[in-house]
Amino acid sequence: DAGVTQSPTHLIKTRGQQVTLRCSPKSGHDTVSWYQQALGQGPQFIFQYYEEEERQRGNFPDRFSGHQFPNYSSELNVNALLLGDSALYLCASSLAWDPHNEQFFGPGTRLTVL
Amino acid sequence: AQKVTQAQTEISVVEKEDVTLDCVYETRDTTYYLFWYKQPPSGELVFLIRRNSFDEQNEISGRYSWNFQKSTSSFNFTITASQVVDSAVYFCALSFLAGGTSYGKLTFGQGTILTVHP
Repeated sequence: DAGVTQSPTHLIKTRGQQVTLRCSPKSGHDTVSWYQQALGQGPQFIFQYYEEEERQRGNFPDRFSGHQFPNYSSELNVNALLLGDSALYLCASSLAWDPHNEQFFGPGTRLTVL
Repeated sequence: AQKVTQAQTEISVVEKEDVTLDCVYETRDTTYYLFWYKQPPSGELVFLIRRNSFDEQNEISGRYSWNFQKSTSSFNFTITASQVVDSAVYFCALSFLAGGTSYGKLTFGQGTILTVHP
C-alpha cells in the first residue's frame, strides 16, 4: 500500500517564475492538504482540497493556488515566485469523515528560489 | 485563533536519559485534537500520538508517554530511555472539529530539535 507521494523531490527556480508541485494521496484517502515549511519553522497550512474544491485556506496570497483531480491527486501552483517562497512543501492526505483527523504526510518537495 | 508554542528550541541528551518536550496551546474551541509528530532529516512528518480534548487520561505507549493538562493548556511528551535514533525535530500540533466534521487544518508549533548523543 503506497503512502503519500510527492514530486519532484527538489526544484530550483528563479524569481518571477511559476512552479507546479504534485501529490498523490494514500490509497483510499479523499482529502489533500498542503503545508509550507520554511527552514527552522513549523509547517504552515496553505489549503485543503476535497471533492475537487478548496475547502479551507490558510493565510497565503492568491499566488498560491491548487487543484484536485477526480483520482484525488492534487497540484500546488505558485506564481510569481519570491525568494521567501523557498521552503519544503508538504502534502498530507486524510479521509474527510475521519473524526480523528489522522493525516499522513509525504516526503515533501524542497523548493529553492534564486 | 489557534496557537501552539514549543518554548524549547533545542534539547541535547545522552542516550538512555529521559527527555520531556513541552507544548502549550491556545484555542477557543471546546473540542480539539492534539498531536505530536517527529520529523527526521529525511523531512517526512511521522505521526506519534494523538489526544482529544475531552479525554485527559495520560497514557504510555512503549517508550512514549504524554501529559495532557487542560487546565494549563499543556500537552507534554516524554521519551523514556532515549536512543540515538530518536534524534529529530519534534512538532506539537493542534486541530479542531467544526460542525461535527474535521476540517483537517493542523496548527504546528515551531518545533524542538532533539539530539541524543551516544
